[in-house]
Amino acid sequence: AQSVAQPEDQVNVAEGNPLTVKCTYSVSGNPYLFWYVQYPNRGLQFLLKYITGDNLVKGSYGFEAEFNKSQTSFHLKKPSALVSDSALYFCAVRDRTGGFKTIFGAGTRLFVKA
Amino acid sequence: SAVISQKPSRDICQRGTSLTIQCQVDSQVTMMFWYRQQPGQSLTLIATANQGSEATYESGFVIDKFPISRPNLTFSTLTVSNMSPEDSSIYLCSAGTANTGELFFGEGSRLTVL
Repeated sequence: AQSVAQPEDQVNVAEGNPLTVKCTYSVSGNPYLFWYVQYPNRGLQFLLKYITGDNLVKGSYGFEAEFNKSQTSFHLKKPSALVSDSALYFCAVRDRTGGFKTIFGAGTRLFVKA
Repeated sequence: SAVISQKPSRDICQRGTSLTIQCQVDSQVTMMFWYRQQPGQSLTLIATANQGSEATYESGFVIDKFPISRPNLTFSTLTVSNMSPEDSSIYLCSAGTANTGELFFGEGSRLTVL
């Protein structure tokens, strides 16, 4: 069965510093991997995805993520954090082998301090 | 991308009653799903809404409690039946296409059962 782990409940970073939000996954075969962001009292917004190709994928709002097959990781990164990046971030995985359903990690709350 | 409209956005209901949540997508999509989310927590997949046929439910969710309809590609409803306080949650509609993979979400329906 597919699963996603986000080991950090919360990440704190100062504005202007780089940020990393960690994600590891377990799925049979090669997965589709996603990051979503949720602002207070809002639905989820798609940030970026890895389907195939270059291991470094770029997404919305300056975010990027690196797919590492050997470590089964897909960490979210941004070179310079903004206070407005403070939100709840979800890593998600979809199995390529037939099902379309997407499974979400527990979420990591990012606090960016001015 | 797709814009998803959900209604009601919130409701307060009495124990034992039922509530139907509507989800409308502004473009044709392949997949539609219903998730449940406790505020600030992860998403739990309830079911896949299948066009013109019975929904596919995840473990722990049954049709009698959460009947789902999807009469066409762009519209779906989720009913929460015979509600109890434990059903208080945010219900999220999501949709996407099989070839791109990412999901788009409605703003959610926040349900409080007294």
